[in-house]
Amino acid sequence: EIVLTQSPGTLSLSPGDRATLSCRASQSLTSGFLAWYQQKPGQSPRLLIYGASSRATGIPDRFSGSGSGTDFTLTISRLEPEDFAVYYCQQYDNSVKTFGQGTKVEIK
Amino acid sequence: VQLQESGPGVVKPSQTLSLTCTLSGGTITSVTYYWSWVRQPAGQGLEWIGHISGTGRINYNPSLESRVTISGDTSKRHFSLKLTSVTAADTAVYYCVRGNYVLGRGAFDVWGQGAMVTVSS
Repeated sequence: EIVLTQSPGTLSLSPGDRATLSCRASQSLTSGFLAWYQQKPGQSPRLLIYGASSRATGIPDRFSGSGSGTDFTLTISRLEPEDFAVYYCQQYDNSVKTFGQGTKVEIK
Repeated sequence: VQLQESGPGVVKPSQTLSLTCTLSGGTITSVTYYWSWVRQPAGQGLEWIGHISGTGRINYNPSLESRVTISGDTSKRHFSLKLTSVTAADTAVYYCVRGNYVLGRGAFDVWGQGAMVTVSS
């Protein structure tokens, strides 16, 4: 089973700031099948990024994903008020899917 | 497509949790997609439970495999989750989710609204 470790646990930032979230895998995702999801309180998760760097349909271009192998990053270039939420990475590189524990982006 | 979970909101300890996911639009036999269950205890992260593909192939989370059964309905518009011998640790919101093979090996692009299941006597 591939373990995903997200850091930091909580990110305290202001609207307009740049957010950088990290996701590290316990073994290489050789095909780069890593996704990022956003979850707001009381809502289902929403797909933001798939294949490490491709934005899902309707996702604003302030969200970007990068990385390969074991190290991946989600960047939000300028935080909007609606971006304060919890973000999860997920690997779907093999038949056993796993999620990271989440990073909460909160208003400073 | 939209997904909707249904099933009892309360299950007694040691009994079996049963949930159904109904698709509005599309069928579970499409080879473009696969159909998963994911759960989330209150205030905690997401845990993948397992999935069934359009061809009927099934994979489970090894940590739950001994207690889980995922199946597809012959109507092709439903798939189900059964989790046996439940304890309080199984209390969570349960989501049914679509994996989309167009998005690489299948990122989760459609989520149900979630069904809260509490294990309590």
